[in-house]
Amino acid sequence: GDSVTQMEGPVTLSEEAFLTINCTYTATGYPSLFWYVQYPGEGLQLLLKATKADDKGSNKGFEATYRKETTSFHLEKGSVQVSDSAVYFCALTSNSGNTPLVFGKGTRLSVIA
Amino acid sequence: DVKVTQSSRYLVKRTGEKVFLECVQDMDHENMFWYRQDPGLGLRLIYFSYDVKMKEKGDIPEGYSVSREKKERFSLILESASTNQTSMYLCASSLRVGREYNEQFFGPGTRLTVL
Repeated sequence: GDSVTQMEGPVTLSEEAFLTINCTYTATGYPSLFWYVQYPGEGLQLLLKATKADDKGSNKGFEATYRKETTSFHLEKGSVQVSDSAVYFCALTSNSGNTPLVFGKGTRLSVIA
Repeated sequence: DVKVTQSSRYLVKRTGEKVFLECVQDMDHENMFWYRQDPGLGLRLIYFSYDVKMKEKGDIPEGYSVSREKKERFSLILESASTNQTSMYLCASSLRVGREYNEQFFGPGTRLTVL
């Protein structure tokens, strides 16, 4: 079945450091890919998405590019802030429509001043 | 803005009790979902519904049931709560676009403790 593998955390960075959170996937067909973020005490919210190969999703300084050849969707940010501390989830929907979203296990990011 | 609300943020129940978790969305979304979130396991899908009175099992439906009598409301039921159902429960909703599932909007979660 479809699956998402993302790097395990926690990840601890200093403010203004460069962030990469790796995400790879296994899916049939042509999935859509997502990054969700969960701030402390809140539900998940969509951070960015890409629906076809080579698409780049971006939001709030975060970016991720849909790489079909490497089945990857790595999340990057050039300069993190303390307010970016959260749990980040990579997810996919298969276009078969059988399973709405398949999530990775999440990566906790802590940014220290 | 889409709003998904859940009936409680924190809930404490005893083993064997029947537990109802309620979720309401206000944007006329067709699809609704229940997940549980556990450390190290991420989010796991319990049940989802793509229409009123319709339901589909997710990855971990055992010990749970659901009810969708109205489009805006999706209830998760623990028939006889057990300690291994202590978890964070997240509800989500989305529009249905053809055979593809669109962006999901999440509620704030209910942290359930079963003693």
